[in-house]
Amino acid sequence: SAVISQKPSRDICQRGTSLTIQCQVDSQVTMMFWYRQQPGQSLTLIATANQGSEATYESGFVIDKFPISRPNLTFSTLTVSNMSPEDSSIYLCSVEAGFSYNEQFFGPGTRLTVL
Amino acid sequence: SQQGEEDPQALSIQEGENATMNCSYKTSINNLQWYRQNSGRGLVHLILIRSNEREKHSGRLRVTLDTSKKSSSLLITASRAADTASYFCATGPDRGSTLGRLYFGRGTQLTVWP
Repeated sequence: SAVISQKPSRDICQRGTSLTIQCQVDSQVTMMFWYRQQPGQSLTLIATANQGSEATYESGFVIDKFPISRPNLTFSTLTVSNMSPEDSSIYLCSVEAGFSYNEQFFGPGTRLTVL
Repeated sequence: SQQGEEDPQALSIQEGENATMNCSYKTSINNLQWYRQNSGRGLVHLILIRSNEREKHSGRLRVTLDTSKKSSSLLITASRAADTASYFCATGPDRGSTLGRLYFGRGTQLTVWP
């Protein structure tokens, strides 16, 4: 298993600004994932972040809007750039760390509100 | 879409009753997982069932998988008020270009009344 922390836990931001979300894992992991969960909706994968390589973005998400860093095997950041109210969501990071392939452990999430 | 679809969207029961949630998906999978989310917080992994398994138990949880029908069910027995949460199924595709990805359904909101 893995214990994951995220900072900040929540934030209220103004339109046009950017917010960087941090994700810290208590063990070294190869794959980290960033998800978005819009109000009342399911989770949508934004990108996969592997250490030492560029993040792989899902359809509908671009690096200019959601730049990701992965400087080492225990840490990653997601930046939400030039925010608009439509970016109001919960952002979650996860890692693949279970005994079974694909078993993921999630951080507590960052609840973002854009005014 | 590879997303799973849960049914029902909402379920309300009394403590002690059993709760059954269903999930259908569209593509071939390596595994199917169920997660719980309390009040918009992080997800908690409940159980994973591989594509070559048909049934799995964990405490009060029972999961079945029917790959011919591309469907799964999650049964929570003797439910408690603390089971109130949103439950999501997530499918893990076969290895390849989508390595590691999980595709989540829309979730079932379970409410258990004392």
